Amino acid sequence: DIQMTQSPSSLSASVGDRVTITCRASQSISSYLNWYQQKPGKAPKLLIYAASSLQSGVPSRFSGSGSGTDFTLTISSLQPEDFATYYCQQGYRTSLTFGQGTKLEIK
Amino acid sequence: QVQLVQSGAEVKKPGASVKVSCKASGYTFSSYGISWVRQAPGQGLEWMGWISAYNGDTNYAQKLQGRVTMTTDTSTTTAYMELRSLRSDDTAVYYCARESRIVGATTLDYWGQGTLVTVSS
Repeated sequence: DIQMTQSPSSLSASVGDRVTITCRASQSISSYLNWYQQKPGKAPKLLIYAASSLQSGVPSRFSGSGSGTDFTLTISSLQPEDFATYYCQQGYRTSLTFGQGTKLEIK
Repeated sequence: QVQLVQSGAEVKKPGASVKVSCKASGYTFSSYGISWVRQAPGQGLEWMGWISAYNGDTNYAQKLQGRVTMTTDTSTTTAYMELRSLRSDDTAVYYCARESRIVGATTLDYWGQGTLVTVSS
């Protein structure tokens, strides 16, 4: 299986901050990388697919980049509703794998 | 609009089986696959496997091989996940999600609300 490693595992930030979360794959996955947001007690929500494409309805302050093994999710100006846990997921192999998650907390 | 509605919470004893349903609506059911993902309390997301709603092909996570069976009923646009020989570490919220290939990437674009399965003696 392809291993996905996110960093950091947790992050404290303030409203208005610019935040970057990274995700590294154990082998090249081209651009087949997705990002999800999960709030407590809720199902994950697709934010970014194919590394950099914004899912319909997702605010433009979210952006993704990368290819091969290294990827980033950036939130340009944190809003109160963005405090959540974020997961990357490789969509290269049919056996999907997720990163361990990054919990974004209010400073 | 696309919706996936799952069955309600379950409490099971160790060694028992559980079957969770996922009723799909708002899209052509047979054109997409369904993945199942679980999340133990306070933990991350674990992919369990996938089923094609077109032809019933499956792909299960290696660690669950032999204990999990995924099926679909196209007449009712419902997917099912059965897990057998339950253990305490199977306690988790179980999600179904529609699997799409978008720009080549396998993506889970719509999710059910989750079903809590508690395994306890």
